[in-house]
Amino acid sequence: EIVLTQSPGTLSFSPGERATLSCRASQRINDRYLAWYQQKPGQAPRLLIFGASNRAPGVPDRFRGSGSGTDFSLTISRLEPEDFAVYFCQQYGTSPITFGQGTRLEI
Amino acid sequence: QVHLVESGGGVVQPGRSLRLSCAASGFTFSSFGMHWVRQTPGKGLEWVSFIPSDGNNQYYADPVKGRFTISRDNSKNTVFLEMNSLKPEDAAVYYCARDAVPDTWEFYFDSWGQGTLVAVSS
Repeated sequence: EIVLTQSPGTLSFSPGERATLSCRASQRINDRYLAWYQQKPGQAPRLLIFGASNRAPGVPDRFRGSGSGTDFSLTISRLEPEDFAVYFCQQYGTSPITFGQGTRLEI
Repeated sequence: QVHLVESGGGVVQPGRSLRLSCAASGFTFSSFGMHWVRQTPGKGLEWVSFIPSDGNNQYYADPVKGRFTISRDNSKNTVFLEMNSLKPEDAAVYYCARDAVPDTWEFYFDSWGQGTLVAVSS
């Protein structure tokens, strides 16, 4: 199975700063089939990005996904207070689909 | 607005069974495949099972194959997960999630329920 590594486990930023989160795959991800989710405490994950770079409906344009092959990134251009959460990547190009362990974005 | 509500979680002894339900509203349920995804603090998010919109096939992760059964009732806008022979490692928050692409599937999830907690303990 494809192992997704998100490192570091925690990133610390201040509101207004730019944050880039990393997701590295153990094998090439077919056709950029990679998604990003945001999860806040006590809530379900929320889809942010699919197809590596496509924003889901309603997602602010400060969220940008990029990458291909084995290296993918989620960039949040200007952090808002509500952006501090845990972010997961998920690959859906190869069975079994797998998730990264998550990166916690903290103030 | 898409709304998914899970129920049926609880505390169960190892080897016993539990049936989870997920009631859907706010969209044409019969047009979307549905998934179950579970989450634990230790293992993170793990896809469990998928059923296409017509219910004619079922797909399972290896750890649950042969023990869990996914089904759906399109007349009641509900998807189920029958969990048998439960093991301590099945303990998790179980989410139902909608496949993002109608009338087919791509195995990413655009809507999630709030989750239901399953604890497996003697």
